[in-house]
Amino acid sequence: DTGVSQDPRHKITKRGQNVTFRCDPISEHNRLYWYRQTLGQGPEFLTYFQNEAQLEKSRLLSDRFSAERPKGSFSTLEIQRTEQGDSAMYLCASSLRGADEKLFFGSGTQLSVL
Amino acid sequence: DAKTTQPTSMDCAEGRAANLPCNHSTISGNEYVYWYRQIHSQGPQYIIHGLKNNETNEMASLIITEDRKSSTLILPHATLRDTAVYYCIVTGTGFQKLVFGTGTRLLVSP
Repeated sequence: DTGVSQDPRHKITKRGQNVTFRCDPISEHNRLYWYRQTLGQGPEFLTYFQNEAQLEKSRLLSDRFSAERPKGSFSTLEIQRTEQGDSAMYLCASSLRGADEKLFFGSGTQLSVL
Repeated sequence: DAKTTQPTSMDCAEGRAANLPCNHSTISGNEYVYWYRQIHSQGPQYIIHGLKNNETNEMASLIITEDRKSSTLILPHATLRDTAVYYCIVTGTGFQKLVFGTGTRLLVSP
């Protein structure tokens, strides 16, 4: 068990560019979550997958955001036409469905939009 | 999900117990109390959770009042590595759409 892995750790981009982040969950985990965190605030829920199905999306996830989890393994989060307000830490977490569900978070991808 | 209230910050001397309070007066019968912490530049880390009874694991103890309207996370012998933001979250069963507040910033000093 190597934990939840996120790539890249840091991304600097110019406004208007597209960016894609990758998350590799813990191998046996069937649930995967994306959160966003800005400075001084707690993480905010963006979206959630159970296996390959995306079951809930926050209204924070505008049309410029898309997430996928093909084959129920790794996940990608793409932001199109980035804006300065997209600058944040993007966190991925995974878990095993059950009564005592615990989320295991990665170290996040820090996005800076110039 | 019920809302929680936590102090903004707390200090603790290394080696002493850190007691972090949380109010969740609107908690409903099937909602759990979860605690996570976030060390600088890392993702949140699960600590402990409970429903009604007090719980203990290798990291901490969780004391939930009988009316379930408040709880206390106890780190029995705080170390410098315990300096972090601690989040108290109330959530039901089902998928963990955790609602993080701003948490308590715990500073452990030598």
